[in-house]
Amino acid sequence: EIVLTQSPGTLSLSPGERATLSCRASQTVGSNYLAWYQQRPGQAPRLLIYGTSSRATGIPDRFSGSGSGTDFTLTITRLEPEDFAVYYCQQYGSSPPYTFGQGTKLEIK
Amino acid sequence: QVQLQESGPGLVKPSGTLSLTCAVSGGSIRSRNWWSWVRQPPGKGLEWIAEIYHSGSTHYNPSLRSRVTISVDKSKNEFSLKLNSVTAADTAVYYCARVDYGVYWYFDLWGRGTLVTVSS
Repeated sequence: EIVLTQSPGTLSLSPGERATLSCRASQTVGSNYLAWYQQRPGQAPRLLIYGTSSRATGIPDRFSGSGSGTDFTLTITRLEPEDFAVYYCQQYGSSPPYTFGQGTKLEIK
Repeated sequence: QVQLQESGPGLVKPSGTLSLTCAVSGGSIRSRNWWSWVRQPPGKGLEWIAEIYHSGSTHYNPSLRSRVTISVDKSKNEFSLKLNSVTAADTAVYYCARVDYGVYWYFDLWGRGTLVTVSS
């Protein structure tokens, strides 16, 4: 099983600042198989990024993804109030095919 | 557009069976997608449970495999989850989700989720 470890656990920033969220895998993840989701309180997760760096439909360009191998990053430039949420990375592999990181909570400083 | 809606009992007794259904509206379950269940215990992260294709092919999380059955009803355009021998540890929000696969694999559409509490 590929374990995804996200850091930091909580990130405190102010609107307008830049956020950098990390996702580290215990084994190599194919670049096509790494996705990021945003989850606001009381809501279902929402797809932000797939294939490491492709934005999902309707996602603003202030969200970007990068990385390869075992290290992946979600960057949010110019934080907006609605961006404060929990973010999860997810990989597709084998047995089980899908695993998620434990999440990073982005909170208002 | 396609929407997913979970339904089922919100309270299940310990040692009982959790049964949920996900209705697919605005599209066909016969589309080129896998259909999954994901759960989230209160205040915790996401755990993938199982997925099914409209042909009936399935994949399960090994950690839950012995207790889980996923099925599809094409005539009703829905798929279902059964989890037996439940304990308090199975208390969670259960989401159904659509998997876009091929070059990439990810959950591109989610239901709103339904909270299932295991308690006597």
